[in-house]
Amino acid sequence: NAGVTQTPKFQVLKTGQSMTLQCAQDMNHEYMSWYRQDPGMGLRLIHYSVGAGITDQGEVPNGYNVSRSTTEDFPLRLLSAAPSQTSVYFCASSETGLGGYTFGSGTRLTVV
Amino acid sequence: AQTVTQSQPEMSVQEAETVTLSCTYDTSESDYYLFWYKQPPSRQMILVIRQEAYKQQNATENRFSVNFQKAAKSFSLKISDSQLGDAAMYFCAYRSRRTGNQFYFGTGTSLTVIP
Repeated sequence: NAGVTQTPKFQVLKTGQSMTLQCAQDMNHEYMSWYRQDPGMGLRLIHYSVGAGITDQGEVPNGYNVSRSTTEDFPLRLLSAAPSQTSVYFCASSETGLGGYTFGSGTRLTVV
Repeated sequence: AQTVTQSQPEMSVQEAETVTLSCTYDTSESDYYLFWYKQPPSRQMILVIRQEAYKQQNATENRFSVNFQKAAKSFSLKISDSQLGDAAMYFCAYRSRRTGNQFYFGTGTSLTVIP
């Protein structure tokens, strides 16, 4: 009963480095999303997917790429890390476009 | 775009007492979902309660209940018999039934439970 699994839990990057945050779910959910959480700003949508092969931008997509080659996996790529990307990142999934999300445990990313 | 407003950045409550967290939202749609999520210090986002807009009856989950006022676009969370484990950040969220591809979150209310 894994739910949504995010790795890593913590990461420190230097400015300009790239990396991929991994997200996997074992519930056969069609909808998957990436959010970032910043103090005083709640959670903001970065990218989302409504099924394998289908992705779209959310509110704050700049500097991030996603792909959805399988139903289970939805990785988030930081192309060239910047200090403004220091944040907590959450992956979430839902069975359909209705109802609540199941969230992963989050990744705390620091860019120095 | 829809907006969700939580006007209480911080709240406190005595253990065993009742507290109400406020949430308002702005939308032109008539069919949607509203949620309250709890985020304890562990950082995990936990679904507390959900409300479907077409249902007039307020949702209840054990000690947690909502006061859903559709015309006023208000969705408050009441926690009864507060426990130390209720201490957390609470987020209100909106999801359109029509598009369904995005949650809109409020900025959160930090709840402290005083022993």
